Amino acid sequence: YVLTQPPSVSVAPGQTARITCGGNNIGGKSVHWYQQRPGQAPVLVVFDDSDRPSRIPERFSGSNSGNTATLTISRVDAGDEADYYCQVWDSSSDTWVFGGGTKLTVL
Amino acid sequence: ELQLVESGGGLVQPGGSLRLSCTASGFTFRRYEMNWVRQAPGKGLEWVSYINSNSSTIYYADSVKGRFTISRDNAKNSLFLQMNSLRAEDTAVYYCARDSGITTRPGWFDPWGQGALVTVSS
Repeated sequence: YVLTQPPSVSVAPGQTARITCGGNNIGGKSVHWYQQRPGQAPVLVVFDDSDRPSRIPERFSGSNSGNTATLTISRVDAGDEADYYCQVWDSSSDTWVFGGGTKLTVL
Repeated sequence: ELQLVESGGGLVQPGGSLRLSCTASGFTFRRYEMNWVRQAPGKGLEWVSYINSNSSTIYYADSVKGRFTISRDNAKNSLFLQMNSLRAEDTAVYYCARDSGITTRPGWFDPWGQGALVTVSS
């Protein structure tokens, strides 16, 4: 199972960033999203398509339908600059799959 | 505080072996499934292996199957990854990560350790 993410997304401060994750009928799977700042370990920001851990700001949200899942970050600030990865469980191979990652740049 | 701390990384020659450890604290380790994930320099995340709470179910990525062995010691709150027949392409930061704790279906990874660097080179 392959997850496809855009290599990079750029957005101005205060605007909304949308990072996509494409996969065959991904809408039928649960998608999780991770943020990885440079030199740091990944951090969970969205789980089960659209739920947020309590420590994650409401600016982070997710959706999933058809062949595309989307992580949306509203009111982007410099602290959101990071790599973002989507993840799903592939039941046909009993493996977890990560997308290739998207580098978010705040202009 | 939830914490995972990896150790055992280092430089090893191709064909050699290394054993990584991950020590957990701040939660009841024996109740949670665990994973290893790696990240090659400048590359993305790659899931490596999974073990359930009582070690009865184990999965591996095809890239490491037959060479790596995951295990755990619940009495010592520890997770391990025995890596044999190492190759240059195994060079990466290796993270341990706790599964969500939802035992009825695969979950998400939270938290992650800080990672241990494994370098395979002659």
